[in-house]
Amino acid sequence: GAGVSQSPSNKVTEKGKDVELRCDPISGHTALYWYRQSLGQGLEFLIYFQGNSAPDKSGLPSDRFSAERTGGSVSTLTIQRTQQEDSAVYLCASSNRNRGGNGYTFGSGTRLTVV
Amino acid sequence: GIQVEQSPPDLILQEGANSTLRCNFSDSVNNLQWFHQNPWGQLINLFYIPSGTKQNGRLSATTVATERYSLLYISSSQTTDSGVYFCAVFLYNFNKFYFGSGTKLNVKP
Repeated sequence: GAGVSQSPSNKVTEKGKDVELRCDPISGHTALYWYRQSLGQGLEFLIYFQGNSAPDKSGLPSDRFSAERTGGSVSTLTIQRTQQEDSAVYLCASSNRNRGGNGYTFGSGTRLTVV
Repeated sequence: GIQVEQSPPDLILQEGANSTLRCNFSDSVNNLQWFHQNPWGQLINLFYIPSGTKQNGRLSATTVATERYSLLYISSSQTTDSGVYFCAVFLYNFNKFYFGSGTKLNVKP
């Protein structure tokens, strides 16, 4: 596609439920990143995928968080047993070169609210 | 990791005024980007600028990598410039961007 597409754009869920957030990167981009932005804060790195390499999961805050990337394209971020502190905007970005050499393009994000 | 500090944290301008936003970083970096997050939360790439100077309309950016800082200049500001400006630096060793905490800009008509 022309840009990085994320869905849903907004998600309200009850505490304890599982949620899945989707990211469709720019076609041909091999690198994909997930970041999280809590209210009034900067961006926090979550996970990085590069081609067929093992992902860098060092930013995932707990084992309730997981992500996969199927076929080197679409990625899904799953949060199990959601907590109120998970409320944030989840942003996905992709890059057409290894290590973000030409910069990132971000999607519009998914705003997650856990009530 | 690396520390990325942005200043000022908040800025209020009258429409038409100029401003300079600063980004300091604590170590050598491989890449640097400036982003604008508009009031709707969209994060828009402004400049990819690991070094040197670039200009795009009323905006320009300069990165002096050897002195570990970057500047974003906004001239003749408009209300649509309002939002949060983020600086992010990229390190090959860590394969990720590190973001500053942003400068929140409010341009008043």
